[in-house]
Amino acid sequence: EDKVVQSPLSLVVHEGDTVTLNCSYEVTNFRSLLWYKQEKKAPTFLFMLTSSGIEKKSGRLSSILDKKELFSILNITATQTGDSAVYLCAVAVAGNTPLVFGKGTRLSVIA
Amino acid sequence: SAVISQKPSRDICQRGTSLTIQCQVDSQVTMMFWYRQQPGQSLTLIATANQGSEATYESGFVIDKFPISRPNLTFSTLTVSNMSPEDSSIYLCSASGTPGTDTQYFGPGTRLTVL
Repeated sequence: EDKVVQSPLSLVVHEGDTVTLNCSYEVTNFRSLLWYKQEKKAPTFLFMLTSSGIEKKSGRLSSILDKKELFSILNITATQTGDSAVYLCAVAVAGNTPLVFGKGTRLSVIA
Repeated sequence: SAVISQKPSRDICQRGTSLTIQCQVDSQVTMMFWYRQQPGQSLTLIATANQGSEATYESGFVIDKFPISRPNLTFSTLTVSNMSPEDSSIYLCSASGTPGTDTQYFGPGTRLTVL
């Protein structure tokens, strides 16, 4: 059975801290790994990673994939209260199948 | 990217009634999905909405309780039937299959409360 595991499940940090969120996966026919941010209702797309070792970056957020060790990390530097959200990791496998989601990491950034 | 709209955005319903949620995508997509997210929980896939054929339901979800339609490549509905308070949740529509990407995009969600 395909599986995506995120850690930690929740995290509280102070503004300005740097955080690293982890995602490991065990799937057959891996195609890509995606990160989403969910604040109120709908998850919003952050990154899609397909190749090992290539960092994707958007402002203070960055992510990298290790296909050999089957994991990805999402880094957020200089955190702000607006970064408070649930961060979801998901894996796409070959074929017309839905993404396999992890349970998410709930990040709380306090002033 | 695909832009997805859902309606209603929220509703409060009486137990025993049914609610139909509509999902509209701004472009043709291959795949459409329905998720449920109960308070404090992660996303749970209800079913894949197949265009022109019956939906594919995940374990624990059945067509009688969650009938789904997908009449074309841009539109789907989910009905929550004979509702009970346990059906109170956020229901999310999602779509993928825009050329060249695995990304699934999500609608804004429908917050359902059953009294």
